[in-house]
Amino acid sequence: DTEVTQTPKHLVMGMTNKKSLKCEQHMGHRAMYWYKQKAKKPPELMFVYSYEKLSINESVPSRFSPECPNSSLLNLHLHALQPEDSALYLCASSQGGGFGYTFGSGTRLTVV
Amino acid sequence: KNQVEQSPQSLIILEGKNCTLQCNYTVSPFSNLRWYKQDTGRGPVSLTIMTFSENTKSNGRYTATLDADTKQSSLHITASQLSDSASYICVVSDTGNQFYFGTGTSLTVIP
Repeated sequence: DTEVTQTPKHLVMGMTNKKSLKCEQHMGHRAMYWYKQKAKKPPELMFVYSYEKLSINESVPSRFSPECPNSSLLNLHLHALQPEDSALYLCASSQGGGFGYTFGSGTRLTVV
Repeated sequence: KNQVEQSPQSLIILEGKNCTLQCNYTVSPFSNLRWYKQDTGRGPVSLTIMTFSENTKSNGRYTATLDADTKQSSLHITASQLSDSASYICVVSDTGNQFYFGTGTSLTVIP
């Protein structure tokens, strides 16, 4: 298995909703990432987990809450989002040393 | 400061023509450089990855080059197809597992 799987592919949520994005990989990668990407812009790093521990939080608002239950799974819990949070959310994983860097297909999030 | 710059920002070419995209970087210490293709609303898909010692790598109609001395890379697309229309992103990683993204080149192939 050489893929990073993200679910759901599309999500529409209200500003008072609570939802979660899921990411899964079975390549044995020890680093996992969440990115936010706006149209026509490069991905912006949000969080990095290394060996299941949060190693980087790029000053992301607390309405985004990451969770790494085990080495294969990465979640992003969403609560009280704003319309400007609408974007493509990408998950990626890597094997370390800058290698094996693989993206998921993304979740298209719309906040209404 | 570690940076990755891509040019041109956007490009329109006729189907069947060739094109070359550029990526210049200042990332150090360098580990590897990747080119990704990203269709609108989808995740980036890796085209090539090159390490310090590799000068050229091909993947079908895509050929990437790397000059580690000048810190430049190019992605050459041969005999373009309509399905090549996408954003192409250059990503450079350092030895500390940090990844640096270019701003991308938006390619449009027209019939």
